[in-house]
Amino acid sequence: NAGVMQNPRHLVRRRGQEARLRCSPMKGHSHVYWYRQLPEEGLKFMVYLQKENIIDESGMPKERFSAEFPKEGPSILRIQQVVRGDSAAYFCASSPQRSTDRGPQHFGDGTRLSIL
Amino acid sequence: GQQLNQSPQSMFIQEGEDVSMNCTSSSIFNTWLWYKQDPGEGPVLLIALYKAGELTSNGRLTAQFGITRKDSFLNISASIPSDVGIYFCAATSGSARQLTFGSGTQLTVLP
Repeated sequence: NAGVMQNPRHLVRRRGQEARLRCSPMKGHSHVYWYRQLPEEGLKFMVYLQKENIIDESGMPKERFSAEFPKEGPSILRIQQVVRGDSAAYFCASSPQRSTDRGPQHFGDGTRLSIL
Repeated sequence: GQQLNQSPQSMFIQEGEDVSMNCTSSSIFNTWLWYKQDPGEGPVLLIALYKAGELTSNGRLTAQFGITRKDSFLNISASIPSDVGIYFCAATSGSARQLTFGSGTQLTVLP
């Protein structure tokens, strides 16, 4: 999955701590999407961002989760006060334009978040 | 919400055999995508379909966007060991930008 860079690849947190996941989109891509994947399941949409704007956060839990895509630097998915149920693989995807305009989404290799 | 029903859930085939998997939905979509995911990695785009009835190939892979806009299939011909992995269908509808994913097809290729 050359291009979309996510870090860290693995993240371990204790309950109540904060988790911060980073995503650098492919060069030339200005649209970022975050997805969550539980074991044995498909990916579930969380949030869609463009530079400095949240476009669609309909899949994001209302509490403890936030996302940003600043003018400079990577997109950040932040989970505050983590709980065991937050354990999952979090994937970032990017596209050069809206996915409905022939700009398919390309994925990073994900961050595996484990909550102790 | 929108759901994609992907089948089969898993397949065990002999090397050299052809494979077929599909996704159906009660909703209409305007883009269908097929991804492959290997353990510990992210989904890799295999084929993108943008027009109802469209048939697209990528090497040994062929996918079609159903004419009703509610389904898609993926065929793999002459399977090889590196085809092992989980295959996901994904789709977008007119107003939504996010991908809706199927639950995946786990493919095992036996030597």
